Amino acid sequence: GAGVSQSPSNKVTEKGKDVELRCDPISGHTALYWYRQSLGQGLEFLIYFQGNSAPDKSGLPSDRFSAERTGGSVSTLTIQRTQQEDSAVYLCASSFWTGNLEQYFGPGTRLTVT
Amino acid sequence: AQSVAQPEDQVNVAEGNPLTVKCTYSVSGNPYLFWYVQYPNRGLQFLLKYITGDNLVKGSYGFEAEFNKSQTSFHLKKPSALVSDSALYFCAVLGNTDKLIFGTGTRLQVFP
Repeated sequence: GAGVSQSPSNKVTEKGKDVELRCDPISGHTALYWYRQSLGQGLEFLIYFQGNSAPDKSGLPSDRFSAERTGGSVSTLTIQRTQQEDSAVYLCASSFWTGNLEQYFGPGTRLTVT
Repeated sequence: AQSVAQPEDQVNVAEGNPLTVKCTYSVSGNPYLFWYVQYPNRGLQFLLKYITGDNLVKGSYGFEAEFNKSQTSFHLKKPSALVSDSALYFCAVLGNTDKLIFGTGTRLQVFP
């Protein structure tokens, strides 16, 4: 079966522009997570969605970051007015529930802000 | 505060030798512990997990990890390393807020 997919795989944008990153989770997975991986750093939790519950946004670094999950499936992470420090690999993961017994990760989107 | 520590940024080992990648954790209550591997230009792949039961957990690609409650450790091991095991390894713990807390990663380099 298909795994978690993310698009685009690479995105280069100018400072100040808005970007949208997309995640398609595994069908049937109710939990979806976004992480950020900066060069030389570990994974930084950003946000997660579980079913119809309000998302946990506690990891979003600023109000320039937001995410939506439509129909309990596809998710979009939006970064407004991008800054150079936003450059990173953005990873999406999904799992059956927030018990997190096993998260399945997508290949990531590498964002470069020039 | 809940946390995971991977004290080694890089581990070098010769092919055929045993390898250990260290991980210690701090979490209230019973820990759920995980290891993930990231190959170059790829997403993370699940290797193994400890939830309950036997302290020695076996996972993918011949890896295993030992849960040690007294030392709050969950070191990743493999009896005989392969060059193809060279990758970035992440330890993670499930916090009480249902979020995975990841370590900073350890780069494993296996030399032929």
